[in-house]
Amino acid sequence: QQNVQQSPESLIVPEGARTSLNCTFSDSASQYFWWYRQHSGKAPKALMSIFSNGEKEEGRFTIHLNKASLHFSLHIRDSQPSDSALYLCAVSMDSGGSNAKLTFGKGTKLSVKS
Amino acid sequence: NAGVIQTPRHKVTGKGQEATLWCEPISGHSAVFWYRQTIVQGLEFLTYFRNQAPIDDSGMPKERFSAQMPNQSHSTLKIQSTQPQDSAVYLCASSFPDWGGQDTQYFGPGTRLLVL
Repeated sequence: QQNVQQSPESLIVPEGARTSLNCTFSDSASQYFWWYRQHSGKAPKALMSIFSNGEKEEGRFTIHLNKASLHFSLHIRDSQPSDSALYLCAVSMDSGGSNAKLTFGKGTKLSVKS
Repeated sequence: NAGVIQTPRHKVTGKGQEATLWCEPISGHSAVFWYRQTIVQGLEFLTYFRNQAPIDDSGMPKERFSAQMPNQSHSTLKIQSTQPQDSAVYLCASSFPDWGGQDTQYFGPGTRLLVL
């Protein structure tokens, strides 16, 4: 049974800081790795995804995956107050197939103070 | 594109009553997922349909929960004999499966269920 853990549980950073969020998973057969962002009272929204080892950068956000270490991370450069939200990592074994469900971590609550 | 639509947004039921939650996926999306979110357990998978067929219901409490997808434009989640521990935000998501791996799940705003 897949177990997904996130750290830290919560984080307060000043505006402009670089923020790092971590996620570990237990099943080495995991194939797809996602970060979702959920603002208070809103729907989770896909932020970034990665499917192979390495790094992927989109604007201020970078995702890094190390399958051998069962670990992936999200880095936010120049954090903004609008980045304040619950960040959820998620893992799936499949895409579009019979095992496409997402298994989520419990989230990291990020607060960016101006 | 209106996104995934969920109704009602809020529902209050008494213990033992039935609750039916509705989801309208994004037009053209063939996969529909149900999840529930609580402070304690986080966001948990319940069930998944593809092309209206049930694919995976491994997260569904078997005795009181059921889900259907009678047509491509809506899915329902029914909870019979609701209990206080069923109180949660129930989230529906849809996706257009891309076998290349770009299978982003788009979530609706959720139905907040409170069982008194």
